[in-house]
Amino acid sequence: EPEVTQTPSHQVTQMGQEVILRCVPISNHLYFYWYRQILGQKVEFLVSFYNNEISEKSEIFDDQFSVERPDGSNFTLKIRSTKLEDSAMYFCASREQGELFFGEGSRLTVL
Amino acid sequence: QKEVEQNSGPLSVPEGAIASLNCTYSDRGSQSFFWYRQYSGKSPELIMSIYSNGDKEDGRFTAQLNKASQYVSLLIRDSQPSDSATYLCAVNGEDSSYKLIFGSGTRLLVRP
Repeated sequence: EPEVTQTPSHQVTQMGQEVILRCVPISNHLYFYWYRQILGQKVEFLVSFYNNEISEKSEIFDDQFSVERPDGSNFTLKIRSTKLEDSAMYFCASREQGELFFGEGSRLTVL
Repeated sequence: QKEVEQNSGPLSVPEGAIASLNCTYSDRGSQSFFWYRQYSGKSPELIMSIYSNGDKEDGRFTAQLNKASQYVSLLIRDSQPSDSATYLCAVNGEDSSYKLIFGSGTRLLVRP
């Protein structure tokens, strides 16, 4: 069964460092998303991406965040200068029609 | 501000019983409704989607939607210990971006 894959599964970084989280969406899907979940809290929408551009972003997705689809398969989330409060699970998701499918997540720990 | 509300639980049921999970949402224009299961430390896994009023059954799972009451529920029949997880209700609005709004989840414990 096709699935969304994410790397790395866990990344530890120092505050102020740049982090890139990578995702390979399901191959025939056209819509891509990043969500995050701080430990013990809700899954929160960050950004949606379609046709090589951001279609919507939340107030969380400030200038420190960016997304890119550098080639035909990868979809990346970059955090330019990480803060302690960026520590969370980051989930990539993709959809073709109605249903959203999530990757296994990348756990980001900012020290 | 669109909200999705769930009782955090835990909801404890014996093995073999029916577990009933509920969710209310604030945006009357919402069109698409989803139930996800999330095991601790794992990603949300889609269980059911429902788009129109009424019931939708898939195996041991039944989703129920009442748009007039802005209410979605999930019934799990013949609950198994492996069903123990957090169940997330997610709602999409009228727009096409599919920005899902998640509830905080209900933790279900199925006692052997």
